[in-house]
Formats: sequence, C-alpha cells, structure tokens
Amino acid sequence: AQSVAQPEDQVNVAEGNPLTVKCTYSVSGNPYLFWYVQYPNRGLQFLLKYITGDNLVKGSYGFEAEFNKSQTSFHLKKPSALVSDSALYFCAVRDRNSGYSTLTFGKGTMLLVSP
Amino acid sequence: EPEVTQTPSHQVTQMGQEVILRCVPISNHLYFYWYRQILGQKVEFLVSFYNNEISEKSEIFDDQFSVERPDGSNFTLKIRSTKLEDSAMYFCASRDPGLNTGELFFGEGSRLTVL
Repeated sequence: AQSVAQPEDQVNVAEGNPLTVKCTYSVSGNPYLFWYVQYPNRGLQFLLKYITGDNLVKGSYGFEAEFNKSQTSFHLKKPSALVSDSALYFCAVRDRNSGYSTLTFGKGTMLLVSP
Repeated sequence: EPEVTQTPSHQVTQMGQEVILRCVPISNHLYFYWYRQILGQKVEFLVSFYNNEISEKSEIFDDQFSVERPDGSNFTLKIRSTKLEDSAMYFCASRDPGLNTGELFFGEGSRLTVL
C-alpha cells in the first residue's frame, strides 16, 4: 500500500519569505512523487514531479522540491513567496513498481501568503 | 493547451436519484480516472479505466458506481442511487499513454450536492 502524509493543515508565510510545505510518503518500492496545487473552485494543477535522477526538481511558478530517500520526504519549497501562491497544495505518490498508475494523495496543506 | 473538461460544474440532486457526471479527457490520452474530494478532506481515488475496462478501483467504488466510455470522447461516472455521503467534488483525470511516469491531468471538477 502507498500513502502520503502532509503534517501541516496550514502554512503561513509573509510575501518575499521562503516557504516550505512538508510531505512524507510510504511505498513498498521506489516512488514517483508529485505536487499539485488547487486554487479555490478549481481542479488540481500539476506543479512538479520526481521520477529519477537529481534529488532537487524544479517545477512551475518557481517551485521546487527535494527528494530525500532516507527520510522518505518530498518537501515543496520556494525561495520567495508571492501572495498569489496562496492555495491548497497536495503531495501525491505512486509506487513505480506498481502495474497501475493510480496516485495516492495527501490531505493537502493550505498555504497562506500575507502581503 | 489541451485540457480535461467536466460537466456539470455543479449538480444538486435528491437522495436516491441517479446522477451521471461527464468528462471529456485530453484527446490522445488513454488512461482515465475518477477521484473525489469531500469538503475539507483529501482527494480520494475512485477508479481507473483503460482499454474499455476498469483497471483498478477503490473500496469507495461499490456497486452504486459505474463508469463508461460510451463514445470516443466522453468518460462518464454514474451513481445509481445517491446517498447524502456522496456529496463531494468529483474530479476526472487522464494520462498520456507515452508517459509512464504517472502524471495526471485533472478537470476542474463537478460538485455534487445530495439533499
């Protein structure tokens, strides 16, 4: 079974400051890892993914995430937050050894960036 | 940019009624999914569909649910006899067959309210 934990329901950060949204995962094999963002009344938009290779992956809107195998983590980061980054962020995992492509999502973390 | 489209955006129905939610996946995608998100909770997998059959389903996807690809473009989710607890946002997603890395593209969702 695969699972994702997002330990924070909400993260508050001031505009211009760095932000981190935490994610840890559990899979029986090696993971594919994803971050999605959801703006109010919208669907999930893909931000970035880790498949293999460099542990630091860069995605849309200046976001990046670092894969840490020993800590089974995939934290989302951005060096300088914008008010427009305020949204709900979901981490997701898929076991690459699974024959299926189903993603398992975390419960989401609300990011609030204050002016 | 191609996108997944869903209709209706919002449907209100009485308990016990049948509901059909419709999705038009991205045209060259071959893997299709339904997820749901109960208000304030995480995004939950319902079912995946490939080659005109269900490839995986969750415990949520019981006999009240069915999926169909009635023509070359639409992908539908039917709830036979709705219950109050079926109230949720339902997301359709699709995946490019050439990308085995599991990145899903989501629609903006159909909000179902069961009274």
